[in-house]
Amino acid sequence: EIVLTQSPGTLSLSPGERATLSCRASQSVSSSYLGWYQQKPGQAPRLLIYGASSRATGIPDRFSGSGSGTDFTLTISRLEPEDFAVYYCQQYGSPPYAFGQGTKLEIK
Amino acid sequence: EVQLLESGGGLVQPGGSLRLSCAASGFTFSNYAMSWVRQAPGKGLEWVSTLSPSGSTTYSTDSAKGRFTISRDNSKSTLFLQMNSLIAEDTAIYYCARGSLVTAGRGDYWGQGALVTVSS
Repeated sequence: EIVLTQSPGTLSLSPGERATLSCRASQSVSSSYLGWYQQKPGQAPRLLIYGASSRATGIPDRFSGSGSGTDFTLTISRLEPEDFAVYYCQQYGSPPYAFGQGTKLEIK
Repeated sequence: EVQLLESGGGLVQPGGSLRLSCAASGFTFSNYAMSWVRQAPGKGLEWVSTLSPSGSTTYSTDSAKGRFTISRDNSKSTLFLQMNSLIAEDTAIYYCARGSLVTAGRGDYWGQGALVTVSS
């Protein structure tokens, strides 16, 4: 069973700044089947990144994903006000398809 | 437009049962794996169960095995989650999510969720 650990737990930044979120897996994620989701209060999650680095449909290019094996990163190049939310990583290569515990991105 | 609409949530006593439904539209339901993901109040996302497009293969988290059953009716484009022996820790918003054509457990599209409250 793969366990995902996200860091930091909370990230305080200002609009226009760059955000770097980390997701570390307890064992290698097969075929880079790693996704990133954004969730805003009262809303369902939204897929941002799949396959570690591919943007989902309609996702702005300020969002990018990288990494392989056990270390993955979500980068938001220039934060917009609507980007402040909670972000989750998920591995979907082998069940159980676990999520990380989340990183809350808050306005500084 | 892909749409997923959950229903069947509500208040249930500990030990009781509940059946959630997820009505899908805007895509060929029988081509995609479908999943249930839950979120306890103020907590993170927890994957619960995934069902293959044909309904022949299921994957479930340990906490769901033996109590929760995922199923689907491809003729009605509907996904189900039968939950038995419910406990307080099952209180959560339950989301249904559509996978991709290639991978089962990914959540490409999500419903708005159904709230399940287990309390006496």
